[in-house]
Amino acid sequence: QKEVEQNSGPLSVPEGAIASLNCTYSDRGSQSFFWYRQYSGKSPELIMSIYSNGDKEDGRFTAQLNKASQYVSLLIRDSQPSDSATYLCAVIYSGGGADGLTFGKGTHLIIQP
Amino acid sequence: EPEVTQTPSHQVTQMGQEVILRCVPISNHLYFYWYRQILGQKVEFLVSFYNNEISEKSEIFDDQFSVERPDGSNFTLKIRSTKLEDSAMYFCASEDRGGTDTQYFGPGTRLTVL
Repeated sequence: QKEVEQNSGPLSVPEGAIASLNCTYSDRGSQSFFWYRQYSGKSPELIMSIYSNGDKEDGRFTAQLNKASQYVSLLIRDSQPSDSATYLCAVIYSGGGADGLTFGKGTHLIIQP
Repeated sequence: EPEVTQTPSHQVTQMGQEVILRCVPISNHLYFYWYRQILGQKVEFLVSFYNNEISEKSEIFDDQFSVERPDGSNFTLKIRSTKLEDSAMYFCASEDRGGTDTQYFGPGTRLTVL
């Protein structure tokens, strides 16, 4: 059974601070890792993908992957009120196309102005 | 920027009725997916579709569900005899052939079964 675990929150962070979101996954064979953002009543929106150990930066976002610890994280620098949303961690086991994403329940992030 | 589109945005149906949810994937994408999200719960994979056939399906995707690509642009999910527990948001997603496993989601159809 492939599981993706996230702290549901809410995680409250002051505006301008760094928000740190964490995710663990159960299947050691997982190949591809994603962070999606979901506003209430809306669909998941892709923020970042990461495939190899280490850090990957894109603007204010940094994804970190540690396959040995089966751990993925997302850092959001200079947090803005518009970053308030639920952040979904998603994992693909085998990769290469046509594989379903396994999602965590999401972490609800609140950026306080 | 190309987007996945879905119709209708909201569908209300009576228990036992058949519904068809429609999706238009991004035009040059080759892999297509359906997911559902029951209110307050996580997004769950239903089925993937490639080269005009089902590639992978979850335990949720039982005999009441079917998918079809009736033409070069549409991708549909049919629920044959709806149950109350089928009430959820249904998301379509598509992926290109670039091998990045990156799936882009449509806006969703909210299905309400009464």
